[in-house]
Amino acid sequence: DVKVTQSSRYLVKRTGEKVFLECVQDMDHENMFWYRQDPGLGLRLIYFSYDVKMKEKGDIPEGYSVSREKKERFSLILESASTNQTSMYLCASSLFAGSNQPQHFGDGTRLSIL
Amino acid sequence: AQTVTQSQPEMSVQEAETVTLSCTYDTSESDYYLFWYKQPPSRQMILVIRQEAYKQQNATENRFSVNFQKAAKSFSLKISDSQLGDAAMYFCAYRRTSYDKVIFGPGTSLSVIP
Repeated sequence: DVKVTQSSRYLVKRTGEKVFLECVQDMDHENMFWYRQDPGLGLRLIYFSYDVKMKEKGDIPEGYSVSREKKERFSLILESASTNQTSMYLCASSLFAGSNQPQHFGDGTRLSIL
Repeated sequence: AQTVTQSQPEMSVQEAETVTLSCTYDTSESDYYLFWYKQPPSRQMILVIRQEAYKQQNATENRFSVNFQKAAKSFSLKISDSQLGDAAMYFCAYRRTSYDKVIFGPGTSLSVIP
């Protein structure tokens, strides 16, 4: 069965810390995504990657970076965490563009920045 | 730019009754996919149903069906014989056929009343 695993369900960090959120998928999917989910705003795309070492900015990339050194792993990095980055973060993966297959999501990481 | 709108932030339905969640989208493309995702409280987001724009027939998956009106750019979700387990956030989503990014609506929170 399809599996997207996020390293933490809950995470508490302090302002100014460098924060790493990890995501691993076991489906050999080309595409991986990081979203931020806030009430009333739905899911907003931060970054996505369509291949190893390839990445594209989403709608809200400011304050974030990503890393994809291996096909199965996609990391989201908060370079210097701020309180306005307190949110739910969702990782997803999908097959290549052109496929009608949906995205598969992890359980999410609820991140609190104090 | 493509947008997805869900005009009902919250809905409720009696158990065993039928409910319809609304979704409209804006696009100039003729070929695309539409999805409904379900996110139960504190649980993983999963696909409920998908529709290819080139298909005139509305998609159905057991108790879930859609009313796809391409000219009106409308994609509503009907849940029949509602069950307690249907209580969740429901997100409508759009993706161009040969593109990776998915545009999500803001979501509708569905409550099921016993």
